[in-house]
Amino acid sequence: DAKTTQPNSMESNEEEPVHLPCNHSTISGTDYIHWYRQLPSQGPEYVIHGLTSNVNNRMASLAIAEDRKSSTLILHRATLRDAAVYYCILRDYNNNDMRFGAGTRLTVKP
Amino acid sequence: EAGVTQFPSHSVIEKGQTVTLRCDPISGHDNLYWYRRVMGKEIKFLLHFVKESKQDESGMPNNRFLAERTGGTYSTLKVQPAELEDSGVYFCASSKIAGSQETQYFGPGTRLLVL
Repeated sequence: DAKTTQPNSMESNEEEPVHLPCNHSTISGTDYIHWYRQLPSQGPEYVIHGLTSNVNNRMASLAIAEDRKSSTLILHRATLRDAAVYYCILRDYNNNDMRFGAGTRLTVKP
Repeated sequence: EAGVTQFPSHSVIEKGQTVTLRCDPISGHDNLYWYRRVMGKEIKFLLHFVKESKQDESGMPNNRFLAERTGGTYSTLKVQPAELEDSGVYFCASSKIAGSQETQYFGPGTRLLVL
């Protein structure tokens, strides 16, 4: 299965944009890129997903590189509530399960 | 709409005892998943139900773990006998459909400590 690489941790200031990178150089053509996050003491929570085109929703934006070997989750204005571990996950039609890595721990400073 | 619920939220048991975890998925979700994070490790998939049938149980660590979903509604995960290395957080998730685009909705987890 294709794997993802994320920085272990990142810091941001409150109300500033945050760009969380993810490398997935072995991605296949049918792999969807999903992002989930896990707030403290909670279960993982869906953020966004995409295949080739950039995606926007009320929580975030997902920018996917043209060659699809990397992607970036963008939080437009970080709040304290966005402090969490963010997971970049590749899923293809063979996988019904989620393959979590270590994720990126985002700290938001007031 | 109620989310995925799990019971109990915490459980402390002694090695060799039995523990049963329960998961109630979102109503109407045929797909139910179990995951766990043991100490210091990543979240790992355990198994996947479609209604009452086990679709994929490739992540179950050994035969001390038994998952059931009678009637295709709630699910239980029994650990018998529990070992120290079973300590961790057990998550349940559900989804309406399965596939590479579907969203899984996770419960808050059950924190299991085996002494």
